[in-house]
Amino acid sequence: EAGVAQSPRYKIIEKRQSVAFWCNPISGHATLYWYQQILGQGPKLLIQFQNNGVVDDSQLPKDRFSAERLKGVDSTLKIQPAKLEDSAVYLCASSLVSGGTGYGYTFGSGTRLTVV
Amino acid sequence: QKEVEQNSGPLSVPEGAIASLNCTYSDRGSQSFFWYRQYSGKSPELIMFIYSNGDKEDGRFTAQLNKASQYVSLLIRDSQPSDSATYLCAGSGNTPLVFGKGTRLSVIA
Repeated sequence: EAGVAQSPRYKIIEKRQSVAFWCNPISGHATLYWYQQILGQGPKLLIQFQNNGVVDDSQLPKDRFSAERLKGVDSTLKIQPAKLEDSAVYLCASSLVSGGTGYGYTFGSGTRLTVV
Repeated sequence: QKEVEQNSGPLSVPEGAIASLNCTYSDRGSQSFFWYRQYSGKSPELIMFIYSNGDKEDGRFTAQLNKASQYVSLLIRDSQPSDSATYLCAGSGNTPLVFGKGTRLSVIA
């Protein structure tokens, strides 16, 4: 079973620039999550998709972050304009079922963003 | 606000000892709990999950859950240097997983 694919692995941008991250979940996983992990902290949820609909985006800074999941498969997370505090690892995860019941989430390798 | 609390460590144990990692949670609606291991520069990988009170064993790992005390723990027996990593506790009540900050474990050879 192929894992969760993410790209790029690393990205360095200047503040106020824009950046986009891509995620392809495990085949058949209806639920997709984007988490932000700042160095030394645990992952923090940004947005949850169920198929191609948004279930929870309460912690997404909507003035600068946007995300979409077209056709209920791949997802893109965008930041525009980026701030220094956006420097973090952006983790995509997918699961068979919504929430935390079942078998947990499978995470991709993440995208490490550095804003300078 | 739903919170999961962990001691950030570092927790240092000698090789072969038992490492005990602890976690408390604030949301009484949380039903399932997960332990993830995260090596430096890598993404979290699932070690165990537990949703019933009591103990659950898997090889050298034992997860313990006490819902009355809102307490979750992970025991690692016969600790190995390869167990050195950050261990993340996460909880969910049919909502997205809420993670703690993680406990850094160092196993000294």
